[in-house]
Amino acid sequence: KAGVTQTPRYLIKTRGQQVTLSCSPISGHRSVSWYQQTPGQGLQFLFEYFSETQRNKGNFPGRFSGRQFSNSRSEMNVSTLELGDSALYLCASSRDRGDSNSPLHFGNGTRLTVT
Amino acid sequence: AQTVTQSQPEMSVQEAETVTLSCTYDTSESDYYLFWYKQPPSRQMILVIRQEAYKQQNATENRFSVNFQKAAKSFSLKISDSQLGDAAMYFCAYRSTAGTASKLTFGTGTRLQVTL
Repeated sequence: KAGVTQTPRYLIKTRGQQVTLSCSPISGHRSVSWYQQTPGQGLQFLFEYFSETQRNKGNFPGRFSGRQFSNSRSEMNVSTLELGDSALYLCASSRDRGDSNSPLHFGNGTRLTVT
Repeated sequence: AQTVTQSQPEMSVQEAETVTLSCTYDTSESDYYLFWYKQPPSRQMILVIRQEAYKQQNATENRFSVNFQKAAKSFSLKISDSQLGDAAMYFCAYRSTAGTASKLTFGTGTRLQVTL
């Protein structure tokens, strides 16, 4: 069974640009969540999607957005990039059987560098 | 809001020895889940072990075990017979049983070095 796949692995963008990151969950998993990992702030929850609907959102500005498609694949978008957006972005999926006991499976992340 | 604290930025252990990583958390909830994740240089977060707060028995997974002290809000990870492949960042994480299942609150991590 394939794991969580994130593309691309690395991205270099310039301030002011926008970027889209992609995440394909494990087959059968309906929940996809995104995390930002930086040396200063650690791992922070961005948002979660379930059945194409955003179910929860962390404390990030509106420049950070996402969506989920009918096949559960998810994308996150960051507009008007700032230097502080440089981070490792991790995607996680879970089967989500209606309780909070479904473990999260993480991808290898996308390393975004903003110059 | 819940918080998770890992007070050991770095730890070192010799191969075949035992090491304990500390984690404390703060919550007003009575039911929740606690996790230890491992992040090797490949960057993928790998679930090491999890503990349901309503279970008094400490979770174990092969060489990994936890010491869960609910009253003290402490959740330490013990790695026995350490191996070179155990070298990684280790994150303690909290998940509420209320609301969405996917929001984890992470600690700042402990970098574990394994020496020969």
